[in-house]
Amino acid sequence: QSALTQPASVSGSPGQSITISCTGTSSDVGSYIHVSWYQLHPGRVPKLIIYEATKRPSGVSNRFSGARSGNTASLTISGLQADDEADYYCCSYAGGSTYVFGSGTQVTV
Amino acid sequence: QVQLVQSGAEVKKPGSSVKVSCKTSGGTFNRHAMSWVRLAPGQGLEWVGEILPIFGAIKYAQKFQGRVTITADESTNTAYMDLSRLRSEDTAVYYCARVGAIGSQYFQQWGQGTLVTVSS
Repeated sequence: QSALTQPASVSGSPGQSITISCTGTSSDVGSYIHVSWYQLHPGRVPKLIIYEATKRPSGVSNRFSGARSGNTASLTISGLQADDEADYYCCSYAGGSTYVFGSGTQVTV
Repeated sequence: QVQLVQSGAEVKKPGSSVKVSCKTSGGTFNRHAMSWVRLAPGQGLEWVGEILPIFGAIKYAQKFQGRVTITADESTNTAYMDLSRLRSEDTAVYYCARVGAIGSQYFQQWGQGTLVTVSS
């Protein structure tokens, strides 16, 4: 199973919006609503910020939003803040109790 | 409040094995799948495998088939990941990640991570 494709880096100014794409195949992103996104600050534990492509866990800022269409999912961060500077990973269920992560995107504010 | 507490850092020789533990407290253990995910230096997150204790169902990523064994001890609410024939490329932080309620496929809680260093 190959990693899902994400841009290596995305940058934006404080207050701006950015979107990170996550491209998979018809065997993963294209077949399942179960796309999740994780925020990873250096030295910290991954944090779930989006699940089932568009849902936000309790406590996660509504500045984070997700979408999915065909074989591509996306994460949008609006009103960029300094603390949003981190690595972001998408993850898709791939059937048969298996998962595949994205290649990761470094966000610079 | 569910907490996942992992065992401490390990330094291993190439060709040897490592066993990492992950103890769950504050929640139901056997009804939630537990995955193992690793983060190697300069690389991205990588799914290793998963166990659903209540059914004893186990799945491994194809890349690790034959080298990884994931088990669970329901009496102590602890999951284990055993990786054998270690090589330098296995140097990484290994996380246990608890899947949400049955039917969900996302990692809701994560352990603190265990650094495994493979070096001669």
